[in-house]
Amino acid sequence: GESVGLHLPTLSVQEGDNSIINCAYSNSASDYFIWYKQESGKGPQFIIDIRSNMDKRQGQRVTVLLNKTVKHLSLQIAATQPGDSAVYFCAENGGYSTLTFGKGTMLLVS
Amino acid sequence: DVKVTQSSRYLVKRTGEKVFLECVQDMDHENMFWYRQDPGLGLRLIYFSYDVKMKEKGDIPEGYSVSREKKERFSLILESASTNQTSMYLCASSLRTSLRSYNEQFFGPGTRLTVL
Repeated sequence: GESVGLHLPTLSVQEGDNSIINCAYSNSASDYFIWYKQESGKGPQFIIDIRSNMDKRQGQRVTVLLNKTVKHLSLQIAATQPGDSAVYFCAENGGYSTLTFGKGTMLLVS
Repeated sequence: DVKVTQSSRYLVKRTGEKVFLECVQDMDHENMFWYRQDPGLGLRLIYFSYDVKMKEKGDIPEGYSVSREKKERFSLILESASTNQTSMYLCASSLRTSLRSYNEQFFGPGTRLTVL
């Protein structure tokens, strides 16, 4: 999950396992929640989003779950592959298409 | 494909220098953003612009200014660089939305700035 300060949470998984990355968000008024993936040396890249009136949304090998009661968001990656190794950020929308990002979780696949 | 380019991948400057970071997008996006990324702190919004010559402060605007003279170009300016501005700077762009909605932000590769 997310944390405060300089420490980047790390999740280590074996290839083929399912991965779950968690995020706590702060603004209950946000309408959209988004997951971004950042590979080493690259800018963040959009993975999937979910609107606040939904609980679950599925993409290709990824599923995002939203629990508004406890302000919790998770990203599930099925059959994790080495190419999934990256830092994953959750984000929530503000006004004028701005986003507030979480601090990130590093996923290591071996 | 949307392409967001940043003028430099790596930049080394001295304390007190004026620094310009340039960002160009080729998809006619109205919105452009500047973030800084520091380990364990995620991405923090410095400034954004939703139209030419328009600018809005983000969460950490102190020590920075921006310029948007053309739709495709958004510049971040460090008037007098300091060592605490050593960071990775990321530019992004997106289509215009209504106030409460959002459109996907497309990011450039980043500029790693070191201030000595």
